[in-house]
Amino acid sequence: GENVEQHPSTLSVQEGDSAVIKCTYSDSASNYFPWYKQELGKRPQLIIDIRSNVGEKKDQRIAVTLNKTAKHFSLHITETQPEDSAVYFCAASSPGAGSYQLTFGKGTKLSVIP
Amino acid sequence: DAGVTQSPTHLIKTRGQQVTLRCSPKSGHDTVSWYQQALGQGPQFIFQYYEEEERQRGNFPDRFSGHQYPNYSSELNVNALLLGDSALYLCASSAGSDTQYFGPGTRLTVL
Repeated sequence: GENVEQHPSTLSVQEGDSAVIKCTYSDSASNYFPWYKQELGKRPQLIIDIRSNVGEKKDQRIAVTLNKTAKHFSLHITETQPEDSAVYFCAASSPGAGSYQLTFGKGTKLSVIP
Repeated sequence: DAGVTQSPTHLIKTRGQQVTLRCSPKSGHDTVSWYQQALGQGPQFIFQYYEEEERQRGNFPDRFSGHQYPNYSSELNVNALLLGDSALYLCASSAGSDTQYFGPGTRLTVL
């Protein structure tokens, strides 16, 4: 089955700096890669996603890049703000039996220091 | 438009008991997936329901079972509870695609 590795496990940045979180996946059939933000005690919230036919996607301060050859995708957050502090999870979806099972990384705890 | 809802919010059970968790999908969504999230870990896929059938299952024992109703709501049942079943149980709904939206979760504590 699919395996997703996520790094780093913790990340501290100064407010206004950029943050980068990296993930690798094992199943070359995976074709959908969402990123979720989870604040303490709350539900995971989808912040951005990318499909395998696209190399990069941006939404304001957030961007995701995908390298299918290397089976690697990354989340980039620019001009970080204290409210960006949370745990971020990457995931990969490998279509099988007509379903869309998500396999998650172990998460990155991002702390933005004011 | 209500998002994904789950009940109850919290639950405390003892070893060996059985538990039922409930999920109502977002309006317009027909697919419900269940995940288990242990403390400090990413969510792990349990199974997915579509058209009242279990479509795919993760690496969880048969003690974990589910159901989907004609209105697309879903239940997760866990029998013979173990201490290791203590976790946040999340359901996610989608509309025939891979974009999944999560509910707030049910925090299960097994004593």
